[in-house]
Amino acid sequence: GAGVSQTPSNKVTEKGKYVELRCDPISGHTALYWYRQSLGQGPEFLIYFQGTGAADDSGLPNDRFFAVRPEGSVSTLKIQRTERGDSAVYLCASSLLGGGAVHEQYFGPGTRLTVT
Amino acid sequence: AQSVAQPEDQVNVAEGNPLTVKCTYSVSGNPYLFWYVQYPNRGLQFLLKYITGDNLVKGSYGFEAEFNKSQTSFHLKKPSALVSDSALYFCAVRPSGGYQKVTFGTGTKLQVIP
Repeated sequence: GAGVSQTPSNKVTEKGKYVELRCDPISGHTALYWYRQSLGQGPEFLIYFQGTGAADDSGLPNDRFFAVRPEGSVSTLKIQRTERGDSAVYLCASSLLGGGAVHEQYFGPGTRLTVT
Repeated sequence: AQSVAQPEDQVNVAEGNPLTVKCTYSVSGNPYLFWYVQYPNRGLQFLLKYITGDNLVKGSYGFEAEFNKSQTSFHLKKPSALVSDSALYFCAVRPSGGYQKVTFGTGTKLQVIP
């Protein structure tokens, strides 16, 4: 079946601009996660959605970062007033939730964001 | 705060030899532990997980990992390496219980030499 998809695969933007990154999770996955991965580092947690609501946004670095998941499926990560330090690969993952099991996460291929 | 250490940036092994990729962790309470693999230009793929029970966990592509509570380790192993195993490997941990966020290590690049 279809995996997690992310668009665009690459995004180049100028410092100060606004960007939106999209994630399409696996159908039926209630949980959705956003991570940021810098070169030579592991994925760094940003935000977790349980259905439509952000259950944990403790990883968002500042108020320039915001994410939504209005219908409990597709999610959009929004970054305002981009800075060069925002350059990284942004990963989305989804998983099943509950049922008494611990579910692994399925990752998308990522969006490489470059801020010039 | 929880953390994961992968002490080796890169591991080189000859094809056909056994391989080990090391991981140690720190977490409050009992851990849930995971290994993921990342191939170039592709997303992370789940390999295996330890939740409870048998300390030796078997996963995809012939990989296994051994949970050692006293040493707080969860090393990834494979009896006979393949060139196609060359990739970036990430260990991850979260505390047991309800939702808890997952913390990833910095990754270990595995190079299998033909």
